[in-house]
Amino acid sequence: KQEVTQIPAALSVPEGENLVLNCSFTDSAIYNLQWFRQDPGKGLTSLLLIQSSQREQTSGRLNASLDKSSGRSTLYIAASQPGDSATYLCAVQEDDMRFGAGTRLTVKP
Amino acid sequence: DAGVTQSPTHLIKTRGQHVTLRCSPISGHKSVSWYQQVLGQGPQFIFQYYEKEERGRGNFPDRFSARQFPNYSSELNVNALLLGDSALYLCASSLGTGLIDTQYFGPGTRLTVL
Repeated sequence: KQEVTQIPAALSVPEGENLVLNCSFTDSAIYNLQWFRQDPGKGLTSLLLIQSSQREQTSGRLNASLDKSSGRSTLYIAASQPGDSATYLCAVQEDDMRFGAGTRLTVKP
Repeated sequence: DAGVTQSPTHLIKTRGQHVTLRCSPISGHKSVSWYQQVLGQGPQFIFQYYEKEERGRGNFPDRFSARQFPNYSSELNVNALLLGDSALYLCASSLGTGLIDTQYFGPGTRLTVL
């Protein structure tokens, strides 16, 4: 059974810092991995999708990497801003999508 | 272009009642998936429909059912509500089956069972 774990559960950083969020999964037979952002009480916004054959994807200040063999993905956020404060979720796609519990990020001005 | 829409936004029900939640996918998307998100946890997969047929079902009791209409919109029905059904219910749509393409989520329906 696929298990997705995100570490840390919560993170607080000062504005301007570069940071890394971690995601690990137990079964490497996935179609893709997706990173989402969720603001309190809201739906999910897709940030990056990495296909199983890819190693990384970039969008603006965000860079996500995927290492299927080790069952890990990282989301790198450069030059963090207070507007980046949210919960970040990773999800792996098998026949259905399995989510981690998320990392709650706070960026302080 | 309109994103995924869900209705209603909020809903309060009592134990034993039933509820119907609605989802309209992005225009052109043929797949709709439903997720339940309990506070403090990641979403859990309930159902996926593709081209109006059930393609997958998560580990949820038979009280949960869904269907997809010819226009690709979808309904999630929950019977005999329990307190534990209180959650944010999320709908996602994708162009294809979702195995290789991005899933786009709606704002969710917040269900409170008293």
